[in-house]
Amino acid sequence: AAGVIQSPRHLIKEKRETATLKCYPIPRHDTVYWYQQGPGQDPQFLISFYEKMQSDKGSIPDRFSAQQFSDYHSELNMSSLELGDSALYFCASSLGNTGELFFGEGSRLTVL
Amino acid sequence: QKEVEQNSGPLSVPEGAIASLNCTYSDRGSQSFFWYRQYSGKSPELIMSIYSNGDKEDGRFTAQLNKASQYVSLLIRDSQPSDSATYLCAARARRQLTFGSGTQLTVLP
Repeated sequence: AAGVIQSPRHLIKEKRETATLKCYPIPRHDTVYWYQQGPGQDPQFLISFYEKMQSDKGSIPDRFSAQQFSDYHSELNMSSLELGDSALYFCASSLGNTGELFFGEGSRLTVL
Repeated sequence: QKEVEQNSGPLSVPEGAIASLNCTYSDRGSQSFFWYRQYSGKSPELIMSIYSNGDKEDGRFTAQLNKASQYVSLLIRDSQPSDSATYLCAARARRQLTFGSGTQLTVLP
């Protein structure tokens, strides 16, 4: 069965650079979520989209933005990167806002 | 205080024993609850969901919910070394899913 696809899997950037992460949800899933997970920490909710509209916003920095496109894929844009942005970024999708999330493998961002 | 609290562990149990994982939540508006398993360096994987008071069993896993006590638990029977992972409790209130910090479980052969 198709799963959530994230790219790139690994990304290395310098401070103050910009990074873009992509997420392709499971086909027919209408809700996409972005989470940030630092080392040894629980996943922190950043933002979610339902039917291409932003539905909820969590602890997403103003330097970050995200959108969901007509084909339901989503992109997380991160600007003015800081060392503290180094983390695993997970995208998840669900059918409806049920809480039953299916996660991608994650994108590991390292900021040097 | 975190909205979802878990004992961080680590919790070690011998193979074949019952592992008991506990979780409390603070938001009484939470309506549904989930247990996710996360292997080191991997993404969380949903293993159980529970929506009403009582027990829900699925194979070796049993989730228990007590809304009056704001308490959720996960029991793993006949624990296997492959169950060694971090178990994340999550609560959904309104439209957001909040995770606890996770309990690291080690099943010793």
